[in-house]
This record gives sequence, structure tokens and C-alpha cells, in this order.
Amino acid sequence: LAKTTQPISMDSYEGQEVNITCSHNNIATNDYITWYQQFPSQGPRFIIQGYKTKVTNEVASLFIPADRKSSTLSLPRVSLSDTAVYYCLVGEGSYNQGGKLIFGQGTELSVKP
Amino acid sequence: DAGVIQSPRHEVTEMGQEVTLRCKPISGHNSLFWYRQTMMRGLELLIYFNNNVPIDDSGMPEDRFSAKMPNASFSTLKIQPSEPRDSAVYFCASSLLEGLEQYFGPGTRLTVT
Repeated sequence: LAKTTQPISMDSYEGQEVNITCSHNNIATNDYITWYQQFPSQGPRFIIQGYKTKVTNEVASLFIPADRKSSTLSLPRVSLSDTAVYYCLVGEGSYNQGGKLIFGQGTELSVKP
Repeated sequence: DAGVIQSPRHEVTEMGQEVTLRCKPISGHNSLFWYRQTMMRGLELLIYFNNNVPIDDSGMPEDRFSAKMPNASFSTLKIQPSEPRDSAVYFCASSLLEGLEQYFGPGTRLTVT
């Protein structure tokens, strides 16, 4: 069963690039890696998802090495509004057949001016 | 679309009382998830449904918890009898069957005194 580990907190300044790494040593062959952002008093919001190599969308990039035992969420040029908790989620692609979904404990990112 | 709708947003009840949380998923989504979030345990998957059928309820804490999905547009999570340790924020999320991108509702903050 995949277990995810993330740093508890990170600090950054506006305009910097932030990289948050999640370890998932027991990731299974068909597990996807998904990242969510959560603001206080709100539900998590999808950021990006990947299976291998690199994925990029309009808000972030996701880097996954060949062994897939970790993944790195990259936020380019953060702003104060990026202050939030970031979660990685590892789940089996066939979760609709009884796979497991495991959230990391979350990384609290604080962006300072 | 209004997104995932949850009610009530806040619930305060006394120990021993029955609590019912409600969720309306996004129209057209075939998977529905119930999560619990606490400071101590983070985000935990309680149960999820595919096409209204419960697939994995291994995260349900004990027999006091039950969930139903009578149709594609409605689900309930019931706690009977409630206990103070059930105090948490309960999230409902939905997704298309084949993907892991989940859309979360605003959550229900439950306080059991």
C-alpha cells in the first residue's frame, strides 16, 4: 500500500520558484500521482496529475523520476495567494476496482512579500 | 455547474445524537468520495462509490458510520450515535469514473459535544 511523505512546512518569497517533494516508496505500477491545494475553510482543489516524467499545465509542473518513488510539484514565481497547504495523493489507476487512495500529510507553504 | 454541494455547512450536536451529512455531486460524475479531515489524522478517505455502488468502505471508522447513495445526484453519510471524537470536517468529492481529478465540496464542520 502506497504511503506518502511530505515536508510539513516551507517558506518562500514572492517571485521565487517553489519545489515541494513527496516520497511514495511503495507506489504501485498503476498508481497515479496527484497534487491538491487547500486554503483554510475550503476543500482541496486539484492542481496537477501525472504518471511519469514531466507534466505541465498553466499553474504548475510535476516532475516524476523514472523509479516513481518520489514526485516534485514546482510552482513558478509564487505570489502571496499561493500560501496554502499542498497535498500529494497517490492512488491506483484502477481505484474503481478497489484501489487505495492515500493523501500525504500536507505541506504548509508560506509565501512572504 | 455549482460544483459539489454539501449540507449542512456546520453541525453542532450532543454525544449520542444521530448526524446526517448530505452531498450532491457534480452532474455527470460517476464517482463519489467521503473524506474526514482532522488536525491529528489529516485527510482520510472513508468510503467511495462508483455508479452509486460502494466500492471501498475500509476507511469507515466503525459500525456507527454508514453511507448511502440512492441515486447519482445524492449521497448521505450518517453517524449514529455520534461521539466527541467524530468532531472533524467532512468533505464530499466527485470525479469522472476514469480519472483521479476530484472536485471537493466546501465541507461540513461537525462538532460533537
